[in-house]
Amino acid sequence: DIVLTQSPALAVSLGQRATISCRASESVRSSMHWYQQKSGQQPKLLIYGASNLASGVPARFSGSGSGTDFTFTIDPVEADDIATYYCQQSRNDPTFGAGTKLELK
Amino acid sequence: EVQLVETGGGLVQPGRSLKLSCVASGFTFNNYWMSWTRQAPGKGLEWVASITNSGGSTYYPDSVKGRFTISRDNAQNTLYLQMNSLRSEDTATYYCTRNSGYGGFDYWGQGVMVTVSS
Repeated sequence: DIVLTQSPALAVSLGQRATISCRASESVRSSMHWYQQKSGQQPKLLIYGASNLASGVPARFSGSGSGTDFTFTIDPVEADDIATYYCQQSRNDPTFGAGTKLELK
Repeated sequence: EVQLVETGGGLVQPGRSLKLSCVASGFTFNNYWMSWTRQAPGKGLEWVASITNSGGSTYYPDSVKGRFTISRDNAQNTLYLQMNSLRSEDTATYYCTRNSGYGGFDYWGQGVMVTVSS
């Protein structure tokens, strides 16, 4: 299985930029996707194919990377963005990162 | 509007079976692969099963292979997950998900809780 490694938490101030990384144990090319999960809710797809914004997602969200190293950015961070963010690869059988909890500084 | 509504969760003893259902609406069901993904309490996400749009092929991780069966009824716009020989580690919220054409899961149901305990 392809293992995805994310930092467990990130503290950020409102209005600032938040950058979350995801590293894959082997190349997934551009088959990386990002989800937002707010407390008590189902996950929501934000970015697909490493850098493509899903329908209806604000342009404050963006993704980049290919191969094994990927970055998800929120700029600027709003209060409504407080959530856990997961990366997921689809190069092989789907696997998810453990999630990065975005917290307010 | 795309909607995925799961039912069938509950409390079940170890070793017993349970079948989840997911009724889909708002899109042409038989055009899409579908999947189940789960989340244990306080934990991350784990893919559980996928099925092609025709139902002709299915895919599972090793953790559930041989115990879980995904199926679909395209005439009824319904996805199923038959779970046999349940274990305590299968305790989770199970989400019905639609596979986008790009490899991600673009729509998720609200989820249904399955608790495996004696």
